[in-house]
Amino acid sequence: AQTVTQSQPEMSVQEAETVTLSCTYDTSESDYYLFWYKQPPSRQMILVIRQEAYKQQNATENRFSVNFQKAAKSFSLKISDSQLGDAAMYFCAYRSLKYSGGGADGLTFGKGTHLIIQP
Amino acid sequence: SQTIHQWPATLVQPVGSPLSLECTVEGTSNPNLYWYRQAAGRGLQLLFYSVGIGQISSEVPQNLSASRPQDRQFILSSKKLLLSDSGFYLCASGRDNQPQHFGDGTRLSIL
Repeated sequence: AQTVTQSQPEMSVQEAETVTLSCTYDTSESDYYLFWYKQPPSRQMILVIRQEAYKQQNATENRFSVNFQKAAKSFSLKISDSQLGDAAMYFCAYRSLKYSGGGADGLTFGKGTHLIIQP
Repeated sequence: SQTIHQWPATLVQPVGSPLSLECTVEGTSNPNLYWYRQAAGRGLQLLFYSVGIGQISSEVPQNLSASRPQDRQFILSSKKLLLSDSGFYLCASGRDNQPQHFGDGTRLSIL
């Protein structure tokens, strides 16, 4: 079974600065997806960015980028020019590409990192 | 783009009472549907997964059940709620290699 670990329960950053959230995962598979989701106080789960394991190029979405290190099984999220609206819980998630029945297509989540933006 | 509706948004129930949470999806057909639970201060845990009408897979043994009576309807139920069933329940929809999209969730409190 896959596991996802987010070792930072809480991070704080000054507005307009850059912050990096860590995520590591454990899997024996070679093909999979990785995601970062944002959960603001409203508790909606909002997709921030995704990465296909077969792609070497790191995904980027505006101020959000990832550092995907497949060999190290590391998938960190970098937020540049932090804004007050970025304050939220951030969850790293893994999804297998190999359907093997049951919930194999579901997401495995880390426990989250609470990001605080200091004005 | 697809929209996922969940209701109710908030629910307070006594221990031992039944439960029915509903999720409907618009803007897509034949989606994979999911129920997740988020306990306080924790990440999301996959509870149930469905690839089609009447097809339900359970990820964890529990007091809950799920049903999919229609293509875009997914229901989470219980005959007798336990205190440990408290949490935030999220329905999600996904297809093939597309990312999962989530509803706004139901906050369930058991008294």
